[in-house]
Amino acid sequence: QQQVKQSPQSLIVQKGGISIINCAYENTAFDYFPWYQQFPGKGPALLIAIRPDVSEKKEGRFTISFNKSAKQFSLHIMDSQPGDSATYFCAASIGSARQLTFGSGTQLTVLP
Amino acid sequence: DVKVTQSSRYLVKRTGEKVFLECVQDMDHENMFWYRQDPGLGLRLIYFSYDVKMKEKGDIPEGYSVSREKKERFSLILESASTNQTSMYLCASSSIGGANYGYTFGSGTRLTVV
Repeated sequence: QQQVKQSPQSLIVQKGGISIINCAYENTAFDYFPWYQQFPGKGPALLIAIRPDVSEKKEGRFTISFNKSAKQFSLHIMDSQPGDSATYFCAASIGSARQLTFGSGTQLTVLP
Repeated sequence: DVKVTQSSRYLVKRTGEKVFLECVQDMDHENMFWYRQDPGLGLRLIYFSYDVKMKEKGDIPEGYSVSREKKERFSLILESASTNQTSMYLCASSSIGGANYGYTFGSGTRLTVV
C-alpha cells in the first residue's frame, strides 16, 4: 500500500516557468518530509525538507508548501531551468525512524 | 568525494543465478539501505540495516537477502535471480540520527536478468 502518493508522473515546463509537484500522505504520524532530486545516471540527492510545524520552506528557487490539514505537500520550482530537468521524489518518515517512504517520482523536463 | 559506492553500474545475469550486489560507504554511517527503483513505482525498500549483523525487512524483501559483516559494507543477495528482479538497485546510508539527517545514495546498479 503506497503511503505517499505523488503527481504528476511527468511534467514538461518551459524555461522560466514554475514547476509544481504534489504529494499526499495518509499516515498522520509522518513528521519529516524531504524532497530528493535525481539526475540520470546518479542516485537521488536530498534537495530540501520540511517539518509540519511550518507551512512553507524556501531555499533559493525551491519551495516546499505544506498543508497539514489536507495532508499534502508540494514542491515549487520557480524560474525553472533546463538544468533542473531530473526526477523528483517526495518522501516521508516518522520521528527518528531510520527509513523513508518515497513517492513514485516525477520526471521533470524543462525546455530551453 | 564519492561517499556511497556500488560495485557495479550494470550487471546481466541469467535466471536462477545467485547474484551479489555490493555497497560500501565511507561516512561511518550506522544505517544502510537497499532500494529498487522501477518506473512509476518510485523507490521501494527491500532491506535495511542499523548495525553490523543486524537487518530488517523493508516493503519488498521476498526473493532477497542481505549481509552486513562490516559497518561500511552492505550486500544485497538475490538467491535465485528471476526476470521480475530486473531493475535499478540503489544503496543508501544515513547517520544514527535516522532519515531526518538525509540519505546519501550510491549511483545505482542496473541489473538485467535474462
